[in-house]
Amino acid sequence: DAGVIQSPRHEVTEMGQEVTLRCKPISGHNSLFWYRQTMMRGLELLIYFNNNVPIDDSGMPEDRFSAKMPNASFSTLKIQPSEPRDSAVYFCASSFRPGIGEQFFGPGTRLTVL
Amino acid sequence: QQQVKQSPQSLIVQKGGISIINCAYENTAFDYFPWYQQFPGKGPALLIAIRPDVSEKKEGRFTISFNKSAKQFSLHIMDSQPGDSATYFCAPGNSGNTPLVFGKGTRLSVIA
Repeated sequence: DAGVIQSPRHEVTEMGQEVTLRCKPISGHNSLFWYRQTMMRGLELLIYFNNNVPIDDSGMPEDRFSAKMPNASFSTLKIQPSEPRDSAVYFCASSFRPGIGEQFFGPGTRLTVL
Repeated sequence: QQQVKQSPQSLIVQKGGISIINCAYENTAFDYFPWYQQFPGKGPALLIAIRPDVSEKKEGRFTISFNKSAKQFSLHIMDSQPGDSATYFCAPGNSGNTPLVFGKGTRLSVIA
């Protein structure tokens, strides 16, 4: 298996633009997670899905952030409009179950908002 | 809420020394206790994990010690090597539908 796939790996955009991050989880995994990592705040869970259904989005910082999982093999995290404080590394991870067993992380998307 | 407290924030260890990182948790429903390792530019990856039915698990130079009554578990890295330099996260969880709760991370530097 190729592991969790994220695209793009790097994104540089200007403030106010829409940003879409993409994730393909490992086939057969039922849970998908979006994290944001910064030096100041560490690794933050933004939202997670179970069987394609959003379970908890309490970590999403603002209404500018939205996430979808239209099928078991694809998820997006969208920021509209983007702001400089959104600059971070965004990770997608998947697992068989949310709270037990290994979570497999993708390589991350480094987002820079100018 | 601060469910998981990880310490220290950073750690510098001489090559060949022992690195010890601690994790304290509040939620008694946790029944799965992993440590993740993250190298610069990479995503975190599972290093070692323990279930509460044992007090210690060893895999090579890495050992988890678990103290249920104190609600703590720790990672010990024996004979630390420069290649162990990374950020380590504890991330307890349970068999319900709530996800792993990641600590703030410990940045380990092993110097020669």
